[in-house]
Amino acid sequence: DGGITQSPKYLFRKEGQNVTLSCEQNLNHDAMYWYRQDPGQGLRLIYYSQIVNDFQKGDIAEGYSVSREKKESFPLTVTSAQKNPTAFYLCASSISLTWGAEAFFGQGTRLTVV
Amino acid sequence: AQKITQTQPGMFVQEKEAVTLDCTYDTSDPSYGLFWYKQPSSGEMIFLIYQGSYDQQNATEGRYSLNFQKARKSANLVISASQLGDSAMYFCAMREGGSEKLVFGKGTKLTVNP
Repeated sequence: DGGITQSPKYLFRKEGQNVTLSCEQNLNHDAMYWYRQDPGQGLRLIYYSQIVNDFQKGDIAEGYSVSREKKESFPLTVTSAQKNPTAFYLCASSISLTWGAEAFFGQGTRLTVV
Repeated sequence: AQKITQTQPGMFVQEKEAVTLDCTYDTSDPSYGLFWYKQPSSGEMIFLIYQGSYDQQNATEGRYSLNFQKARKSANLVISASQLGDSAMYFCAMREGGSEKLVFGKGTKLTVNP
């Protein structure tokens, strides 16, 4: 089945540690996205990538890093510089260069930093 | 900069009645797409409906319709004949034609009462 897989579903880390969230898609989409969701804040864009080896900062990129070495993979690293990393993280993908194309989402990763 | 505003944090509706969820947007790009997503308590994001800036008619998908008023920059979602399963968070989103950036509003929590 085609889709987007985020792993793990739940992740616990100690404060000060970097952590990498996985996002893999087999939809052959060029564009991929990472969002952070906090209660009452909606989805806020962290990073997005239009094509392999290229990505742009979203609205809240500070404390995060990404890579796009393969079309199907867009991992997100939450660094120790992120002051409030506990949140629900959603990865999405869509057909590129088509403003009418809907985004498909993964099931999300809930990160808790203690 | 593109911006989405959802002014209703929460809405209540009786089963079988219609409900309108508000969304206003701001963009200087004449080409853009507007999307509505549903997020049940499970956290998955479900695409509901799309409206393009050049579309002459309002979009409809089953019980969902989009009341698109371009001059007012509003794209309200209308759900007819509400069902208990419609209880969820609803997000409005926009992508401008010249960018892959997909931004979301803060969402509206809809509760359908029996």
